[in-house]
Amino acid sequence: EVQLVESGGALVKPGGSLRLSCAASGFTFSNAWMSWVRQAPGKGLEWVGLIKSKTEGGTTGYAALVRGRFTISRDDSKNTLYLEMSSLRTEDTAVYFCTTLSYGGPDSWGQGTLVTVSS
Amino acid sequence: DVVMTQSPLSLPVTLGQPASISCRSSQGLVNNDGNTYLTWLQQRPGQSPRRLIYKVSNCDSGVPDRFSGSGSGTDFTLKISRVEAEDVGVYYCMQGTHWPYTFGQGTKLEIK
Repeated sequence: EVQLVESGGALVKPGGSLRLSCAASGFTFSNAWMSWVRQAPGKGLEWVGLIKSKTEGGTTGYAALVRGRFTISRDDSKNTLYLEMSSLRTEDTAVYFCTTLSYGGPDSWGQGTLVTVSS
Repeated sequence: DVVMTQSPLSLPVTLGQPASISCRSSQGLVNNDGNTYLTWLQQRPGQSPRRLIYKVSNCDSGVPDRFSGSGSGTDFTLKISRVEAEDVGVYYCMQGTHWPYTFGQGTKLEIK
């Protein structure tokens, strides 16, 4: 069974940094494309970015709102996906979900981790 | 960015009746590989989203057969043949053809 467990969410001040982790199990992580999706309180879903498998180049892609501030990486030896966030803004407040990607869309989802950016 | 527009945004439905959600994209969603990467997701209250349908009309494992997807080009539809109580939640379409991927605003299905 696929399991994705996010961690690292916290309260952080504007301008601060945070690293989220997503521990994966139940599938061959190294072969998987992975992504981060966020959901602001009471709002809809928003893409953050994705990372391809290393065999397909390990390329990353980001939404315009986070490009240059957020970095997605992966450690296939630890079956873990990361989201490094810097220069955080109040509008980055959201639940951040880790997902696998297949057929052009997110299939498995984690439970999410809450990031609150507030002074 | 490709804009995904869903309608209606609120959908009250009587139990046992059908329901339909429309999703329109601002650009065609046929990828260079010939596939159309249009996905439907369900988010029940208090839960993480769950994928129902991928590539327009393919149901994920475990999805009840009362759910179906159709469409082409820029117009897509999610249909529920007979709504059940467990179908309450928000439904999203999303496109995975053009980067950045984008979601629709969501359609909230409730029981009348």
